[in-house]
Amino acid sequence: AQKVTQAQTEISVVEKEDVTLDCVYETRDTTYYLFWYKQPPSGELVFLIRRNSFDEQNEISGRYSWNFQKSTSSFNFTITASQVVDSAVYFCALSEAGNQGGKLIFGQGTELSVKP
Amino acid sequence: GAVVSQHPSRVICKSGTSVKIECRSLDFQATTMFWYRQFPKQSLMLMATSNEGSKATYEQGVEKDKFLINHASLTLSTLTVTSAHPEDSSFYICSARSRDRGYFGEGSWLTVV
Repeated sequence: AQKVTQAQTEISVVEKEDVTLDCVYETRDTTYYLFWYKQPPSGELVFLIRRNSFDEQNEISGRYSWNFQKSTSSFNFTITASQVVDSAVYFCALSEAGNQGGKLIFGQGTELSVKP
Repeated sequence: GAVVSQHPSRVICKSGTSVKIECRSLDFQATTMFWYRQFPKQSLMLMATSNEGSKATYEQGVEKDKFLINHASLTLSTLTVTSAHPEDSSFYICSARSRDRGYFGEGSWLTVV
């Protein structure tokens, strides 16, 4: 069975601090996709990244970076120099290859609060 | 990028009535759409997979007679909550699958009073 675990329910940091959101996943598939989404209070899901299981390269996009470690089944997300606008709930998600990333299994979410 | 529109964004209905939520892919055709539900402070849970021209596939524990899904065209899927009750109050969000991933609508907040 597939499962995504985000052990951190809530994180609170002060602006400009770096923060890492953890994500651990379980799957029996050899081919799968991993995602991160941001959900602000308005509710919409903002796509951040999609990574397939064969691409273990870490990725950096501005202040965001992702560390994919197949050996530990983890796909962690780091925000560098956090800002108040980063406050939101962040979800890690997993999809089987056959679904092409359409059908997602979400983690419980991590609520990030960045205080000025 | 692909755009998915969901309507209405917020709806309040009386207990016992039905409410329809629409999910449209605006600039691409989607043979498959997904409906998720999210209760306050909880994660998103897949309710059903909507396939154009065929019956939807419901996840375990989701009442198919209560949550009617219709995917009559390649750009439109609808979710109808029938005989709504206060416990159905939730955030409902759809996703339409394109080439590389699913694209989410804005979501719909349903309040049943």
